[in-house]
Amino acid sequence: SQQGEEDPQALSIQEGENATMNCSYKTSINNLQWYRQNSGRGLVHLILIRSNEREKHSGRLRVTLDTSKKSSSLLITASRAADTASYFCATAHTGTASKLTFGTGTRLQVTL
Amino acid sequence: DVKVTQSSRYLVKRTGEKVFLECVQDMDHENMFWYRQDPGLGLRLIYFSYDVKMKEKGDIPEGYSVSREKKERFSLILESASTNQTSMYLCASSSWGTGAYEQYFGPGTRLTVT
Repeated sequence: SQQGEEDPQALSIQEGENATMNCSYKTSINNLQWYRQNSGRGLVHLILIRSNEREKHSGRLRVTLDTSKKSSSLLITASRAADTASYFCATAHTGTASKLTFGTGTRLQVTL
Repeated sequence: DVKVTQSSRYLVKRTGEKVFLECVQDMDHENMFWYRQDPGLGLRLIYFSYDVKMKEKGDIPEGYSVSREKKERFSLILESASTNQTSMYLCASSSWGTGAYEQYFGPGTRLTVT
């Protein structure tokens, strides 16, 4: 299976702190995407980084990609209670067209 | 606004029943997907379709079939439901619009087979 793995599985922080989640994958990618899932709901696309990019920002989100280590990290700065959700990385692999392979997710809890 | 809808949020069926899960997208996307989500296993791809009447098996197609007669609609069929198919089912769609295939998800159907 090409399924990625996320680390940590669960993360609990206080509001205002930064949250960092990591994703590792196994085979060459075209791009890597991060999604958020609120409890019991569908996933929402957050940010995408292409294989030739090393860092990308969107609001309070910062994504890095290290293709030599086959890993990515998602940083959420100044977290809020509303950021409480599960976060998934998904990889689009070279030669697999439109398919994405999802990781197992990181459960983030932000407390007041 | 982008929208993917699924026919039911919650569904309870009996073992052996034939179950239909419907998904509709209004974004004229070429690609549609069915996943199941189980605790600790993340999302696993069941089937996907990249065009009307076209389908391809994902990672776990056993016990499932799909139908795509119209571009906007993708149906997942459990031919004979079993208790191990109790799960959250998520539908998604995507297009090559930005050259990157971001997926848009429906709200999910939580299926319980008793």
